[in-house]
Amino acid sequence: DAKTTQPNSMESNEEEPVHLPCNHSTISGTDYIHWYRQLPSQGPEYVIHGLTSNVNNRMASLAIAEDRKSSTLILHRATLRDAAVYYCILRDHNTDKLIFGTGTRLQVFP
Amino acid sequence: GAGVSQSPRYKVAKRGQDVALRCDPISGHVSLFWYQQALGQGPEFLTYFQNEAQLDKSGLPSDRFFAERPEGSVSTLKIQRTQQEDSAVYLCASSPDIYGYTFGSGTRLTVV
Repeated sequence: DAKTTQPNSMESNEEEPVHLPCNHSTISGTDYIHWYRQLPSQGPEYVIHGLTSNVNNRMASLAIAEDRKSSTLILHRATLRDAAVYYCILRDHNTDKLIFGTGTRLQVFP
Repeated sequence: GAGVSQSPRYKVAKRGQDVALRCDPISGHVSLFWYQQALGQGPEFLTYFQNEAQLDKSGLPSDRFFAERPEGSVSTLKIQRTQQEDSAVYLCASSPDIYGYTFGSGTRLTVV
């Protein structure tokens, strides 16, 4: 399974944008890039996914590098409720399982 | 409810005891997954069902772990002769397709 590398932790102030980076230099052409987040005492929650093009939804934006070796999850205006562990995951379209790393713990300060 | 339901929410077991953890997926979701999450770590894959068929059990740590989904809906993860290293949160997820999973809140198992 292809691996991802994320910073252990990041901090942000409320109402500011947050850019969460992820490196995946061994990504293959069939790997989708998925992001999940996990709030305390809850199961992971789907955030967004993409293959090659940048993606936007109501929760976040996903910017994918042209060579696909890295991506960035963008929270446009962080709120206290966005404090969570964010996981960047590569998923082969031939398999159905997600392989989680240790993720990035995001702290948001008022 | 609209989400994935897991029960019990908390389970304390004495070492050597057998436990059964239940997962009620979202109605109609074909795929069901079990994950194990140790404190401070990301979830680790245990096993995967498509309807009633267990297609991948490569993550089950030992033969003490067994999962079933006999009618393609509710699933049960059974751990026999529990040991302290089995203490973790056990997460269940279901999905209608290969894209978005919906996770339950998990069962926190503590083996004493």
